[in-house]
Amino acid sequence: AQSVTQLDSQVPVFEEAPVELRCNYSSSVSVYLFWYVQYPNQGLQLLLKYLSGSTLVKGINGFEAEFNKSQTSFHLRKPSVHISDTAEYFCAVTTSGSARQLTFGSGTQLTVLP
Amino acid sequence: KAGVTQTPRYLIKTRGQQVTLSCSPISGHRSVSWYQQTPGQGLQFLFEYFSETQRNKGNFPGRFSGRQFSNSRSEMNVSTLELGDSALYLCASSEPGQMNTEAFFGQGTRLTVV
Repeated sequence: AQSVTQLDSQVPVFEEAPVELRCNYSSSVSVYLFWYVQYPNQGLQLLLKYLSGSTLVKGINGFEAEFNKSQTSFHLRKPSVHISDTAEYFCAVTTSGSARQLTFGSGTQLTVLP
Repeated sequence: KAGVTQTPRYLIKTRGQQVTLSCSPISGHRSVSWYQQTPGQGLQFLFEYFSETQRNKGNFPGRFSGRQFSNSRSEMNVSTLELGDSALYLCASSEPGQMNTEAFFGQGTRLTVV
């Protein structure tokens, strides 16, 4: 079985500052990793995904993440955040190669301060 | 293309009642997955349907059930509601194929049990 740990439940950051949201996973087999964003009273939107190949993955809204197999991490980064990035971010993993059954982390609330 | 549509958006039920939630996937998507989101347990996988068959099931009691129709629309049912069933229920649809790697989420149904 696989699991995901998001190390920070809340991350406050000032507007235009860089941010990193941390995600570690545990699995005995190869994994596929995702980051989703959830705005209040909304569903989840895919930011980016790692399937294979380049370990640096670029996503929407200026976000990127780096897959590190030796550290079993998939941290999400953005060089300069905006107020509109305030939302909850979820890291998710699957081992089946399919996004039909995802295991999610507990989420990180990113709050961008003016 | 229209997105994933979940109805109703909000629902209030009394303990002991049963409830049915509906999910219409994106046109052409045949896989529908359901998740429960609560502040305490986070996002948890309930079950997945493909071509009217349940393919995977999460660790939930038998009070939680679902079905899928020939047009890929899916319903989930919760019987004998408990206070702890209060949650946001999210549905996700994806294209057929083992290596499908993106799930599209609806806005969810917020169920409150009183």
